Amino acid sequence: SQQGEEDPQALSIQEGENATMNCSYKTSINNLQWYRQNSGRGLVHLILIRSNEREKHSGRLRVTLDTSKKSSSLLITASRAADTASYFCATVDSNYQLIWGAGTKLIIKP
Amino acid sequence: EPEVTQTPSHQVTQMGQEVILRCVPISNHLYFYWYRQILGQKVEFLVSFYNNEISEKSEIFDDQFSVERPDGSNFTLKIRSTKLEDSAMYFCASSVQVIMNTEAFFGQGTRLTVV
Repeated sequence: SQQGEEDPQALSIQEGENATMNCSYKTSINNLQWYRQNSGRGLVHLILIRSNEREKHSGRLRVTLDTSKKSSSLLITASRAADTASYFCATVDSNYQLIWGAGTKLIIKP
Repeated sequence: EPEVTQTPSHQVTQMGQEVILRCVPISNHLYFYWYRQILGQKVEFLVSFYNNEISEKSEIFDDQFSVERPDGSNFTLKIRSTKLEDSAMYFCASSVQVIMNTEAFFGQGTRLTVV
């Protein structure tokens, strides 16, 4: 089955800088979703981008999708300490299941 | 803002015991899911539920697992005879449409520890 894979696995940046995380997947998708997980907590939906969309914005978040490269990126601009979390991409497969990547652990240093 | 709620937040159980994890999905949602995340590993799909029946399930969801929507609001996951390897964070999620068309909303999770 298809599988989202994020890179980098971990990212540590200074507060105020931009953070970029990437996700690659293997098969065709209907949509790709990004989620955030604070340590030991639940998954919070951030943004959904459909296969016919190339870019989407939500506040300080910008997601791009390149279906020819089977990849997506999540950009967080002007990062804050509260953005410290793990970020996951998930794709929807033909069985209507969310297939998750291993996540990127983002640390924002004050 | 409506949210998915899960109880308990943490459950410790003896190996071989039955556990029931409870979830209250968002009220106007029609699709319900259970996922699990073993510590340090990826989130894994367990089962999806629609119209009072299982619509999809993964290889993980064997005969030891069952789901139920006993009333109009609760959605439960039962593990009949827990094993050590069932220790994980279990997430319930719901969506208003099929997941291909919309996002899923997740609860805060139940941390299950089997000893």
